[in-house]
Order: sequence, then structure tokens, then C-alpha cells
Amino acid sequence: EAGVAQSPRYKIIEKRQSVAFWCNPISGHATLYWYQQILGQGPKLLIQFQNNGVVDDSQLPKDRFSAERLKGVDSTLKIQPAKLEDSAVYLCASSVPGQGWTQYFGPGTRLTVL
Amino acid sequence: KNEVEQSPQNLTAQEGEFITINCSYSVGISALHWLQQHPGGGIVSLFMLSSGKKKHGRLIATINIQEKHSSLHITASHPRDSAVYICAAYNNNDMRFGAGTRLTVKP
Repeated sequence: EAGVAQSPRYKIIEKRQSVAFWCNPISGHATLYWYQQILGQGPKLLIQFQNNGVVDDSQLPKDRFSAERLKGVDSTLKIQPAKLEDSAVYLCASSVPGQGWTQYFGPGTRLTVL
Repeated sequence: KNEVEQSPQNLTAQEGEFITINCSYSVGISALHWLQQHPGGGIVSLFMLSSGKKKHGRLIATINIQEKHSSLHITASHPRDSAVYICAAYNNNDMRFGAGTRLTVKP
């Protein structure tokens, strides 16, 4: 079974630039999560999708972050414009609906904002 | 105060030593996870438990629901065990993560 795929693995941008991350969950996993993990901290949920609908985006900084999952499969997370404090690893995870206690994580995208 | 607290933050051990990482949580949970994160970001689930004890190879996880405490033990530690170990508490569609314990095992 293929795991959660993310790209790119690494990205370096300057502040005020835009960046987008892509995630393809495990086939059949209708629930998709984006997490932000700042160095030295645990992951923090940014947004959770169920199919193409948003379940929870309460911690997403909506003035600069956006995410979509138009066809209910893969998803993109965008930051526009980026700030220095956005430097982090962005993790995507997926799970079977109703089984959110078992989440499968992708390798993450490490973002550095200069 | 974080809802999920781990200790220690950093741990250095010699190969072969017995390792214990602790996790305390203040929220109600239906499941508690121990996750392993290697450099580069990828996270692997080691255990999910809601009571008692689980063992997988050299890894043992225990949980005490009454005391809201869990421990991860590594027996006969090896340099390849070097990673960040994260405790995560799950309840009602919500996962709360600890800050992680960085383990370095020296040969």
C-alpha cells in the first residue's frame, strides 16, 4: 500500500513570497490533515478535511494560509505571503473516516523562509 | 501548561542502555499514541494504546489511565533508535501532540 505522498520535500523562499505544498493521501482515506511543526515543538493541526469539506480550520491563519481539496483526494496548502515565523515542517496525514486515532503521516515538507 | 507534556526533552544514552520516555496528559483520551520522527520529518506510528501495555520488539509502551501517564521504554538501545519520540493524545476527533523527546544513542 502506497503511503502519504508530499512534495516538495524542501523549499527555501524569501519572506513575502508565496509557496504551495501538495499532498496525496492513502487511497481510500477520506480524511486529510495538514499540520505545522515548528522546530522543537509537536505538530499543530492547521486544517482537517473530510472528502472535500473542511471539518476544522480553527488554527489556520486565514489571512495568509489557504488549503483546498477540490476533488476530495489530493490537497494543496498555500502560504501567501510567507513570514519568517512560517519556517517549519508541514506534515500531511490521512485516515479512514471515523478512525482518526490512526493517522498515517507523509514525509513532510521542510520550509525555510529567509 | 501544555495538555500533553513529555519528559525529558532531550536524552542521550550509550548503546545498550534501557531508555524511558514519559508522557503526562491533562485531557480525556480515547487513545494515546507514541510516534517516532526521524530527521527529515517523516513520522511513524509505534503504538496506539488505551489501556495496559503493548510490546513490539525492543519497544514497550505502558499507560495508566487513572494517573493520565504513559511511558515508552526501549530495551538494549541502538544508535538507529536515535530519533524524536512524540506522544499524542486522541479524543473526539482531536489529536494533541507533545513537544517530543529527542533521543540520541551513542555507539
